[in-house]
Amino acid sequence: GAGVSQSPSNKVTEKGKDVELRCDPISGHTALYWYRQSLGQGLEFLIYFQGNSAPDKSGLPSDRFSAERTGGSVSTLTIQRTQQEDSAVYLCASSAQAGTANYGYTFGSGTRLTVV
Amino acid sequence: GDSVTQMEGPVTLSEEAFLTINCTYTATGYPSLFWYVQYPGEGLQLLLKATKADDKGSNKGFEATYRKETTSFHLEKGSVQVSDSAVYFCALAGNQAGTALIFGKGTTLSVSS
Repeated sequence: GAGVSQSPSNKVTEKGKDVELRCDPISGHTALYWYRQSLGQGLEFLIYFQGNSAPDKSGLPSDRFSAERTGGSVSTLTIQRTQQEDSAVYLCASSAQAGTANYGYTFGSGTRLTVV
Repeated sequence: GDSVTQMEGPVTLSEEAFLTINCTYTATGYPSLFWYVQYPGEGLQLLLKATKADDKGSNKGFEATYRKETTSFHLEKGSVQVSDSAVYFCALAGNQAGTALIFGKGTTLSVSS
């Protein structure tokens, strides 16, 4: 596609429910990144995919968080048993190749998750 | 580990004022440095970048120079406009392939006419 597409744009869920957030990167971009943006906390790295594999999962805050990527394209971030502290904007970005030295990222508009 | 520290906001300026947003970093080796901007209601966009020491990135009247001796990448603009109101993020990319960008906490700029 022309840009990075994320869905839904907004999600309100009850505490304890599971949620799935979707990211559709730019066609042909092999690297995909998930970040979380919380008020006053900047961008927190969650996980990175190169193709379908995730070489770096170091940022996932707990085992309630998981992500997968299929066909080297769409990625899904799943949060199980959501907690109020999971409320944030979840951002996805893609880049043409894994090395970022000469490539910036293209970001999606994010999914705003509110846990009530 | 690698990290980025940028000045806390909000920064409030009048139109045509001079802007500086400070950014310093800690990294091993020779990282690449970036400034991203997030306009209200929009996603992050790459504003400018520099990939080696003494490089100057520039775009839309904004500039930043990669200073290895002071480990800094301060963002400057000579005359801000109301349309520059946004959140600005400094970021670095380590020189190891595949590592994710590390972002600062962001600085909110508000420009009034």
